[in-house]
Amino acid sequence: EVVMTQSPGTLSVSPGERVTLSCRASQNVKNNVAWYQQRPGQPPRLLIYGASNRAVGVPVRFSGSGSGTEFSLSISDVQSEDFALYYCHHYNNWPRWTFGQGSKVDTK
Amino acid sequence: QVHLVQSGGGVVQPGRSLRLSCEASGFTFSTFVMHWVRQAPDKGLEWVAAVSRDGTKEYYADSVQGRFAISRDNSENTLFLQLNSLTFDDTARYYCAKEPGGVSDNWGQGSLVSVSS
Repeated sequence: EVVMTQSPGTLSVSPGERVTLSCRASQNVKNNVAWYQQRPGQPPRLLIYGASNRAVGVPVRFSGSGSGTEFSLSISDVQSEDFALYYCHHYNNWPRWTFGQGSKVDTK
Repeated sequence: QVHLVQSGGGVVQPGRSLRLSCEASGFTFSTFVMHWVRQAPDKGLEWVAAVSRDGTKEYYADSVQGRFAISRDNSENTLFLQLNSLTFDDTARYYCAKEPGGVSDNWGQGSLVSVSS
């Protein structure tokens, strides 16, 4: 079973800064990785799929990169509404899904 | 506009059963694989189960295999999750999710299942 390990666990930033979150897969998952944002009390929201494709309606300040075992999600010019939890997700073993443990972006 | 409206959930004793429902609208339900994902209190996301478009194939996480059953009624645009032999570790918010191609672009609001004696 592929394990997805996210880092850091928590990142404290100020609005306007750039954030980069990492996700490492224990095996090659090609580019079958997505990123979700979860705000308190809400279901996850798809941000990125196929490692680097923005989902419909996602602001351009969100970008994803990587392939194989190393992936990252970047948020340029962090806004107040971006303070949330972020999960990476691999679907290389479709239809079985595996999620990372999450990274929290909060305000400094 | 896509809507996934969940019902069911509640407080249940260990060993008992519960059924969750997820009513879909705004898309052609029968053409999408559907999933259940759960989230224990203050924990991350855990995939639970998936069902094929026609309902003939079911897939389960090892943690629920043999205890949970996913199903769908395409005539009623509804997804179900039958939870049997519940344990304390099953306490979580359960989300239904629509899958257009590997990932989920729409999630239900979640149903809270609390297993307590």
